[in-house]
Amino acid sequence: DVKVTQSSRYLVKRTGEKVFLECVQDMDHENMFWYRQDPGLGLRLIYFSYDVKMKEKGDIPEGYSVSREKKERFSLILESASTNQTSMYLCASSFYIGGGNQPQHFGDGTRLSIL
Amino acid sequence: AQSVAQPEDQVNVAEGNPLTVKCTYSVSGNPYLFWYVQYPNRGLQFLLKYITGDNLVKGSYGFEAEFNKSQTSFHLKKPSALVSDSALYFCAGSFPTGTASKLTFGTGTRLQVTL
Repeated sequence: DVKVTQSSRYLVKRTGEKVFLECVQDMDHENMFWYRQDPGLGLRLIYFSYDVKMKEKGDIPEGYSVSREKKERFSLILESASTNQTSMYLCASSFYIGGGNQPQHFGDGTRLSIL
Repeated sequence: AQSVAQPEDQVNVAEGNPLTVKCTYSVSGNPYLFWYVQYPNRGLQFLLKYITGDNLVKGSYGFEAEFNKSQTSFHLKKPSALVSDSALYFCAGSFPTGTASKLTFGTGTRLQVTL
């Protein structure tokens, strides 16, 4: 089974802090994704990466950055946390082949609260 | 722009009855379509996908979905609901005009199955 592991299930940080969310996958997937999930809004894509050191902005990249130095690890960075970034953050990964017909596999999420 | 819509925020069904969770999409061309389920405090789990071919797709836990191109729909169905099916369900699409591996998600439908 594919395993996508997010480093923290719950995280509480203060406004203005720099926050790191880590995600590791064990299936040698090329693609990795960061979403945030908010009630009534579904999942919104923040950033994704299709290869090491490669990244593309998703639908809501403002206030976030990402890092992918190794294939299995994809980090989401909140440069200066704000209260409107309180949310559930989900990491996912998938194979690149198939041009989009491969399912994404998700971690269990990090529930981040910014105080 | 491509989009996925789930018109019902919540669906209520009695155990043993058939269930349907609705999904429609808007795009030119042929999308890849997916259904995911999310249990409380967990990430999304892949249920099934439509790529091409037979319009009726079978997936995990007895779920199936019917692709209807003329109605641009991809409704999730199960012949006999279980209380354990109660969860949040997401429809998602990967569209040929966008980046190949990106998914666009609906806003989710909460399924409540009661005894």
